[in-house]
Formats: sequence, C-alpha cells, structure tokens
Amino acid sequence: DVVLTQTPPTSSATIGQSVSISCRSSQSLLDSDGNTYLYWYLQRPSQSPQLLIYLVSKLGSGVPNRFSGSGSGTDFTLKISGVEAEDLGVYYCVQGTHDPPAFGGGTKLELK
Amino acid sequence: QVQLQQSGAELAKPGSSVKISCKASGYTFTSYYISWIKQTTGQGLEYIGYINTGSGGTNYNEKFKGKATLTVDKSSSTAFMQLSSLTPDDSAVYYCARGRVPLYWGQGVMVTVSS
Repeated sequence: DVVLTQTPPTSSATIGQSVSISCRSSQSLLDSDGNTYLYWYLQRPSQSPQLLIYLVSKLGSGVPNRFSGSGSGTDFTLKISGVEAEDLGVYYCVQGTHDPPAFGGGTKLELK
Repeated sequence: QVQLQQSGAELAKPGSSVKISCKASGYTFTSYYISWIKQTTGQGLEYIGYINTGSGGTNYNEKFKGKATLTVDKSSSTAFMQLSSLTPDDSAVYYCARGRVPLYWGQGVMVTVSS
C-alpha cells in the first residue's frame, strides 16, 4: 500500500506568516489517465475534515486563495500565504491514485 | 446541498458488534461511492474501505477485512457499516464520506468499546 509521509508533524505560526507543509508518497501518484490524485484537507477542532485542494493544485469550492498546492510524482506541498486564525487545525494529504486511498499522518498548525 | 447524516454514538461491550448508518441527501445516492474512515482519539485518519452504492461492490483496506462490513439500502439512500468482534482498539470516531476519495463527510459517530 502507498504510504504518505507529512512533514513537519507540527507547525507553529503567527497570524500573517506563510507556512508550507510537505507530503511525500512512497509511490508515484501520477495515474495512467494523466491525473495526479493528491488532495489536501483541513480538520478544525471538533469538526469533520473539509476539502481544500484536489488534483494537486485545484482549489476546492469556497476555499480562500491564500491556500495553494504544488508538486508532482511523489513530492507535494501545501502553502498557506498569510495564516489566519481560522486556518488552525490539522492538515492531511490524501492519495486516490492507488487502491486503497490513504491519508498522511497529519500536520498540526498552531499559533506561535 | 450534499448532506451525510450519521447515526448516534454507540457504547458496546467487547466481543459484540455495532452497525452505524449514514443517510445521504442532496444528490443522487447511487451516483457516488460511500467511503468509511476511522479516527482514534488524538490520532490520524485510517481508510477503512468503500462501497459502490449502485452495485453493492466493496473494497476494503486489508487491515479492516473481517472487522468491517459495508452495505447499502438504495431505497433509503443509506449506507451502513457493521463492526464485529469489537475490542477496545475499535474505540474511535467513524466517518462516512461521499466518494472513493472522501470529498463530503458526515459528522462522525463515536464508538466506545468498554466492559
């Protein structure tokens, strides 16, 4: 099975600071159809996860454009350009290229 | 709008089974798979498996084969997950979600296994 490794496990930021989270896959996530099925989610405290980014870099509906995703193959990055208080929580990357889908271990974003 | 309404919290004894439900609304139920995810307290997310809501076909994470059984009732747009031979390690929040890759999530169901 595919293993997704996220770093760092915890990130401390001040409001307005930019942060990046890495997600590395044990196998390439490029599908034979040409798509790369890599997603990013945010789980706020006591809430269900919500989709931020799909297909590596496409913003989910209603997601602010301070979020951006990049990467290819096995290495991916989520960047938040100017953290706001509502961005605090745990971020997960998810792959859907290989069966079964798999989650990264999560990155907790907290206030410094 | 898309909604997935899950059943209420469960308290179960070791060795027993529980069956939790996930009622979908706001879209055509049989057009999307339903997936199930486990989250233990303070831990991350584990993918349990998914069900084809049209055919009933299933695909399980190896770790959950024999533990989880996924079914659907198309007439009520409801998906079910039965967890069997419960142990304290099965205590967790269980989410259903729309899609093989979960895009819309239910609110989660807390299952507590304790004697």
